[in-house]
Amino acid sequence: EPEVTQTPSHQVTQMGQEVILRCVPISNHLYFYWYRQILGQKVEFLVSFYNNEISEKSEIFDDQFSVERPDGSNFTLKIRSTKLEDSAMYFCASSSGTPNRQAFFGQGTRLTVV
Amino acid sequence: GQNIDQPTEMTATEGAIVQINCTYQTSGFNGLFWYQQHAGEAPTFLSYNVLDGLEEKGRFSSFLSRSKGYSYLLLKELQMKDSASYLCAVLYNFNKFYFGSGTKLNVKP
Repeated sequence: EPEVTQTPSHQVTQMGQEVILRCVPISNHLYFYWYRQILGQKVEFLVSFYNNEISEKSEIFDDQFSVERPDGSNFTLKIRSTKLEDSAMYFCASSSGTPNRQAFFGQGTRLTVV
Repeated sequence: GQNIDQPTEMTATEGAIVQINCTYQTSGFNGLFWYQQHAGEAPTFLSYNVLDGLEEKGRFSSFLSRSKGYSYLLLKELQMKDSASYLCAVLYNFNKFYFGSGTKLNVKP
């Protein structure tokens, strides 16, 4: 069964450093998403991406964040100048858009900022 | 965002039936999804409703009333492995999923 894959599964970084989280969405999907989940809290929407551009972003997704689809398969989330409060699970998801639009999630990257 | 509300925690007994409710803002609504999430894992898709009524899938059923901005997930014949968080998610404007805070379900023997 096709699946969304994310790498790395766990990333530890020093405060102030930049990280890139990588995702390979399901191949025929058109909509891509990043979410984060701080430990013990709800899943929070960050950004959606369609047709090679951001279609929606939340108030969390400020200038510290950027997304890119550098080739036909990868979808990346870059976090610049990481802060302690960026520590969370980051989930990538993709959706075909039809027929029932559900998002399929990757297993997540646990980001720890120290 | 979008005030998706669901109870924080519920407890039920193995073999019983439990109903988890979800309310949401109706403006821009394009579909409602239920996901299951075990601790430390990714959410996994359970069900999808876009029209009013009940969708049944094995032990799990999901109901939607669009006019009321209301859904519920019904779990029958509860098993211990059903202990998890259940997330209500709403698709708005065709390109943004918002999640509720999740309902932690504890299944007791």
